[in-house]
Amino acid sequence: DAGITQSPRYKITETGRQVTLMCHQTWSHSYMFWYRQDLGHGLRLIYYSAAADITDKGEVSDGYVVSRSKTENFPLTLESATRSQTSVYFCASRTQGSMGNEQFFGPGTRLTVL
Amino acid sequence: AQKITQTQPGMFVQEKEAVTLDCTYDTSDPSYGLFWYKQPSSGEMIFLIYQGSYDQQNATEGRYSLNFQKARKSANLVISASQLGDSAMYFCAMNPNDYKLSFGAGTTVTVRA
Repeated sequence: DAGITQSPRYKITETGRQVTLMCHQTWSHSYMFWYRQDLGHGLRLIYYSAAADITDKGEVSDGYVVSRSKTENFPLTLESATRSQTSVYFCASRTQGSMGNEQFFGPGTRLTVL
Repeated sequence: AQKITQTQPGMFVQEKEAVTLDCTYDTSDPSYGLFWYKQPSSGEMIFLIYQGSYDQQNATEGRYSLNFQKARKSANLVISASQLGDSAMYFCAMNPNDYKLSFGAGTTVTVRA
C-alpha cells in the first residue's frame, strides 16, 4: 500500500532490552523524521534524515539510534530501553522543496517499557 | 531553540459555533512556516493548514483559517461552524527555515451537540 507505515503498532518490552521500531514510506520522500509523543509535551523530534545515509539528532536523541541505508526505510532503535522511553512514536516524511510542504505521519507505535 | 506555546489545554465549543485556538511562537529566523495538525482519538496526525512567514494573506482551507499576526508572533487557528467530528487534539507547529518541526503541547477541543 502507498503511504507511510510503522511496525509494530504496539510493543511491550522490558527495561534493558533492545527494541527496533520500523518505518517505511513509498513516496521516495527525501526527509524522514522520528518523534515521540508524551502527555503535555506534544511531539518532540528524536532524529531526522535528509537522505539515505544522512541522519542528525533532534531534541531528545539520547538513548536512540537510527540508520537509513535505503530512502524508504528509517528504523529507530532503543539500545537499552528505559521506562522513560514509554511513549507513542511517530515516523513522518516529506519532500524537499518548499518549506510549506507538509510532513506526512505514520499511524504511530505505542511502546511500553516495563 | 524554537518554542511553540499553546496556552489552552482544553476547550469546549457548541456545535455550529466557531472556535479559536491560540498559538504563539518564538524564533529569530526571518523565514519560517507555521502548521496546524489535528489528532483525533484514533491517533493519526492530520495536516490542516500552513502559513509562511512571508505570506501576505492569512491562510484558509475550507472551515479552517489561520489568523497570522507576525508582529505578535501568533498563529491562531479558527475553526468555523464546528462539527462533532472536529473533537480532537490540535497541534501548532513551526519549522524555522528548515525541515524540522517544533510542536506545541496541543489543545483538546470537545464539540458539544
